[in-house]
Amino acid sequence: SQTIHQWPATLVQPVGSPLSLECTVEGTSNPNLYWYRQAAGRGLQLLFYSVGIGQISSEVPQNLSASRPQDRQFILSSKKLLLSDSGFYLCAWSGGAADTQYFGPGTRLTVL
Amino acid sequence: GNSVTQMEGPVTLSEEAFLTINCTYTATGYPSLFWYVQYPGEGLQLLLKATKADDKGSNKGFEATYRKETTSFHLEKGSVQVSDSAVYFCALSPQVSGTYKYIFGTGTRLKVLA
Repeated sequence: SQTIHQWPATLVQPVGSPLSLECTVEGTSNPNLYWYRQAAGRGLQLLFYSVGIGQISSEVPQNLSASRPQDRQFILSSKKLLLSDSGFYLCAWSGGAADTQYFGPGTRLTVL
Repeated sequence: GNSVTQMEGPVTLSEEAFLTINCTYTATGYPSLFWYVQYPGEGLQLLLKATKADDKGSNKGFEATYRKETTSFHLEKGSVQVSDSAVYFCALSPQVSGTYKYIFGTGTRLKVLA
């Protein structure tokens, strides 16, 4: 069966510091991968998606970037965090564009 | 464009009460529809889905029927439990070639009291 992991689970970072969140999927190959952000009390905002290694599409211009160095690894990064980057970051995968998306446990990021 | 509208929460019910969370959508073509549940501090879990008109998705006592004529996908459960307390998200997948973006509603928080 497929599983999706995210780490760290929680992170507290100062403004201006760098960020790296990692997501890995097991039990499937060539998944579509997604990064979402959920601000407190709000819905989900799609940040990036990837259909293959090195292929990244950005949905919203922002202070963040994403990379996919391996088939089942998806990384969310920032060079300098802003207060507004605080939130709950969710990684998801699907078998294809129209397939069901399955979510990881999330990373709660607090920028102080 | 595509959109999902959910009823505003929070919804507070007593245990064993009947639950309805309304969800309506706007979409071109024939989207797939989903309900996800998010327990405190956790990621989203797929609760149920329906891929075509008149399909009924069901899981763990929850049901939702894909109504194309009313563009709705309301979530129902006959008897809620305290453990059902969570945030529920309605979502659609446009099913358009090359489109990867799910459209999520803003979520409805459910609180069930013992």
